[in-house]
Amino acid sequence: DAKTTQPPSMDCAEGRAANLPCNHSTISGNEYVYWYRQIHSQGPQYIIHGLKNNETNEMASLIITEDRKSSTLILPHATLRDTAVYYCIRDDKIIFGKGTRLHILP
Amino acid sequence: EPEVTQTPSHQVTQMGQEVILRCVPISNHLYFYWYRQILGQKVEFLVSFYNNEISEKSEIFDDQFSVERPDGSNFTLKIRSTKLEDSAMYFCASSENTQAFFGQGTRLTVV
Repeated sequence: DAKTTQPPSMDCAEGRAANLPCNHSTISGNEYVYWYRQIHSQGPQYIIHGLKNNETNEMASLIITEDRKSSTLILPHATLRDTAVYYCIRDDKIIFGKGTRLHILP
Repeated sequence: EPEVTQTPSHQVTQMGQEVILRCVPISNHLYFYWYRQILGQKVEFLVSFYNNEISEKSEIFDDQFSVERPDGSNFTLKIRSTKLEDSAMYFCASSENTQAFFGQGTRLTVV
């Protein structure tokens, strides 16, 4: 049980920001939110994680709502290579759900 | 950049045979994991390993499976008496504490 809810698929135009939502309404106070992605059949790749504050790294930004019940992963300038399945995981046990299949359109 | 390496990249085995999938985690990592992904399906957790013992395992990880860290660098997954439904990609991962790093997987085909 991944304990998060994500849309099954999304499209985004190349060069635009991709905003991927995740609902984790039952998250507890000390559980982090992690994002991973899987490009085709490669091994999953860590993207970013956060607890309360918004986070940014070289790959993405993570916006967590004040009540921590949801978050949004932002890929600021999506490229074709960002086409992948994106997984939102609410603790460090790394249990994958079905994720969001993101298609970047040329 | 350090990486998790898995060997072989592809293994074909006959039903009923034993297979050992090998992983070399990142050297200073303490937590190790195995996952599998049946073609077209999601990545499924099998087992986590810490301090030389299994810390968690899923329902999939039954008596057919075992893990071992034989020499302080390798981390292996053994599947005894393979079945056709064991055909999948098997991913190893390691972490220091937070994010996990995954290998590129071993594609196991049971015929």
